[in-house]
Amino acid sequence: NAGVTQTPKFRVLKTGQSMTLLCAQDMNHEYMYWYRQDPGMGLRLIHYSVGEGTTAKGEVPDGYNVSRLKKQNFLLGLESAAPSQTSVYFCASSIRWDQGTVSYEQYFGPGTRLTVT
Amino acid sequence: AQSVTQLGSHVSVSEGALVLLRCNYSSSVPPYLFWYVQYPNQGLQLLLKYTSAATLVKGINGFEAEFKKSETSFHLTKPSAHMSDAAEYFCAVSPNNAGNMLTFGGGTRLMVKP
Repeated sequence: NAGVTQTPKFRVLKTGQSMTLLCAQDMNHEYMYWYRQDPGMGLRLIHYSVGEGTTAKGEVPDGYNVSRLKKQNFLLGLESAAPSQTSVYFCASSIRWDQGTVSYEQYFGPGTRLTVT
Repeated sequence: AQSVTQLGSHVSVSEGALVLLRCNYSSSVPPYLFWYVQYPNQGLQLLLKYTSAATLVKGINGFEAEFKKSETSFHLTKPSAHMSDAAEYFCAVSPNNAGNMLTFGGGTRLMVKP
């Protein structure tokens, strides 16, 4: 199993350009997440999805959109990139929460380093 | 709502010395707690997790953490540091009755000196 994969690994954008980051998981996980990582701030949740066709906002959703058309894929879009979106982006997935069972954990991809100039 | 505070953004130890990385949390409900490790240019990997069973949790690579409810802490320790332990470590909290959402601390970078 490849686990969680992310495409691309690196990208440089000019202000105002758009792009889409792709996340794919082969573990049949229901839940998928997009985080951004900035120095000293840990990981902050951008958007997440609890199943195919559903998405929800996280802590820092502004400037991003997402789609989950297939269970195994979760796309993160930047419509008009800004320098403040320079960051490392991580995708993660997990099993569905089921109260009463033991806890889950999130499985992370290797990250995408994005620079906006 | 929950939050996580990791004391010390950088910790330096000598090889063979004790590793202690501090994590304090706040949560309105009993929490699940996690430690993740991130090696350079890689994603996060789960080290260990507390899910309301034993308060002393053992993880991979010789790490362990103790849940102390009275101190709202979940500090990570390892008796003897190895050069390969150099990485960034993240503590995270999740409410145990509200799904999968994790709140991360700011991270602690561990440096190991020869």
